[in-house]
Amino acid sequence: GENVEQHPSTLSVQEGDSAVIKCTYSDSASNYFPWYKQELGKRPQLIIDIRSNVGEKKDQRIAVTLNKTAKHFSLHITETQPEDSAVYFCAASSTNTGNQFYFGTGTSLTVIP
Amino acid sequence: NAGVTQTPKFQVLKTGQSMTLQCAQDMNHNSMYWYRQDPGMGLRLIYYSASEGTTDKGEVPNGYNVSRLNKREFSLRLESAAPSQTSVYFCASSEFSRGSWPQHFGDGTRLSIL
Repeated sequence: GENVEQHPSTLSVQEGDSAVIKCTYSDSASNYFPWYKQELGKRPQLIIDIRSNVGEKKDQRIAVTLNKTAKHFSLHITETQPEDSAVYFCAASSTNTGNQFYFGTGTSLTVIP
Repeated sequence: NAGVTQTPKFQVLKTGQSMTLQCAQDMNHNSMYWYRQDPGMGLRLIYYSASEGTTDKGEVPNGYNVSRLNKREFSLRLESAAPSQTSVYFCASSEFSRGSWPQHFGDGTRLSIL
């Protein structure tokens, strides 16, 4: 099955700086890559996603890039704010596997005011 | 709309007891999923239901059973709970299982087995 690795496991940045979280995947058939934000004790919430026919997608301060050849994708958060502090999960899925999501192990982001 | 609703929110069981976790969605989604979340391990798929009347195993199905009661409801049953099943359980739904669709999660059930 698919194997998704996520780095780093923890990340601290100063408010206003940028944060980058990276994920790699193993299954070349994977074609959908969502990112979820999970605040303490809350549900994971989708913040951005990208499909394999797109190399980059932006939504205000958040962007995701995808390199299909290298099988990696990254989340970029610019101008970080304290409310960005949370655990972020990447995931990969394939239309061949019933939209099963394979999640990375998460990155705990702390934005220091 | 409530989205995905899970009950109960918290539960403590003794080893060997059984219980059913309930999940319902009001988004008219076809596909539903059960995950468990353990510290440092992300979310792992237990079972999923691509459509009403079908269920399939995910990564970690041992010790669990599921029922897709109707299009709205998907339950997860622990027949004989074990301490290794102490976890946070999340239910999710997506519009379809074919294609690439985001999954929407419930608030989770925090389950402790003593």
